[in-house]
Amino acid sequence: KNQVEQSPQSLIILEGKNCTLQCNYTVSPFSNLRWYKQDTGRGPVSLTIMTFSENTKSNGRYTATLDADTKQSSLHITASQLSDSASYICVVSAQRAGNMLTFGGGTRLMVKP
Amino acid sequence: EPEVTQTPSHQVTQMGQEVILRCVPISNHLYFYWYRQILGQKVEFLVSFYNNEISEKSEIFDDQFSVERPDGSNFTLKIRSTKLEDSAMYFCASTETGKTEAFFGQGTRLTVV
Repeated sequence: KNQVEQSPQSLIILEGKNCTLQCNYTVSPFSNLRWYKQDTGRGPVSLTIMTFSENTKSNGRYTATLDADTKQSSLHITASQLSDSASYICVVSAQRAGNMLTFGGGTRLMVKP
Repeated sequence: EPEVTQTPSHQVTQMGQEVILRCVPISNHLYFYWYRQILGQKVEFLVSFYNNEISEKSEIFDDQFSVERPDGSNFTLKIRSTKLEDSAMYFCASTETGKTEAFFGQGTRLTVV
């Protein structure tokens, strides 16, 4: 069964600090891995999409890594801001008709002043 | 910027009633999806739709659920006889042909009482 597990479940950091969120997946055959940001009560918004051949991808203060051999990914946030407070969800897509996405449970990040 | 729009933002219905959740995908997108998120749980895949037919559906998407593209712009999810456990946030998403990124709407919060 396809699964995506994230850690930690929640995280509190001070404004300006860095943090790293982890994702492990067992989705096969693998197509791509995405990180989404979801504010409470809102739809997920894409941060990065990584394919099998990509190891690192940056989007502003967000840097995602992917190790397709160990089936692990991380999302690093640098110089955190109060507006970074949200859930960060790791989502993996399998190579199959329908392009179904498997969502992780998310890491709820709170940035405090 | 084009976006996926969903209506209504919040729907309250009595158990056993039929509900129709509406979505307007981004205009040049041809792949459409419905996902749901029960409060405090992961986002779950319901169904994908392409070329006027269902591409893939999950175990959740039983006979109580149906999808339709009644015209060139709308994509609907119908729940025939709602149950208390159908209470959730329902997200519509769409993808452009040949692309991987899925764009999500803001969701419809369905409350079954």
